Amino acid sequence: DVKVTQSSRYLVKRTGEKVFLECVQDMDHENMFWYRQDPGLGLRLIYFSYDVKMKEKGDIPEGYSVSREKKERFSLILESASTNQTSMYLCASSTWTSGGGETQYFGPGTRLLVL
Amino acid sequence: GENVEQHPSTLSVQEGDSAVIKCTYSDSASNYFPWYKQELGKGPQLIIDIRSNVGEKKDQRIAVTLNKTAKHFSLHITETQPEDSAVYFCAASKDTGRRALTFGSGTRLQVQP
Repeated sequence: DVKVTQSSRYLVKRTGEKVFLECVQDMDHENMFWYRQDPGLGLRLIYFSYDVKMKEKGDIPEGYSVSREKKERFSLILESASTNQTSMYLCASSTWTSGGGETQYFGPGTRLLVL
Repeated sequence: GENVEQHPSTLSVQEGDSAVIKCTYSDSASNYFPWYKQELGKGPQLIIDIRSNVGEKKDQRIAVTLNKTAKHFSLHITETQPEDSAVYFCAASKDTGRRALTFGSGTRLQVQP
């Protein structure tokens, strides 16, 4: 069974703090993704990575950065947390298949509250 | 880039009835259309998908249809059960360029016993 774990289920931080969200997958997947989920907006892609030390901006990268030093781990960093970054953060992973259409496996999410 | 619109945002049905959720996409190059189900407190999980060379796909009580000309696809759940209650997301992607999924806004399905 594919397992994607996220370091925290709930997190409370202060405005201006640096926040690290960690994601680990155990299936040797090449691709990893970070989304945020907000009511009425669905899942919006923040950053993704197709390989170690590689990253690409998604649709809403502003205010975020990422790090992928090892294949199994993908970290999302909020350099200076703001209240509008209060949200549910979901990590996912997938492996390449010919012709595209890779299934993404999601972690349980981290609910972040920025005060 | 791709834009996926999903409706309705909420859907309430009686147990045993059918439920239909519809999505439209904007990028004619998109060729992969998965549906994910998110139960309370969990991450989304793939339940069914369809590729652009297929018009319909069925898996027990769930089916997905695709109309490439109109750029819309739908999820059909028959004989709904209380355990079908969840948030459902449609998504689209293509096999060239950026292959990441673009998700719809989600539909909260409530099956009343």
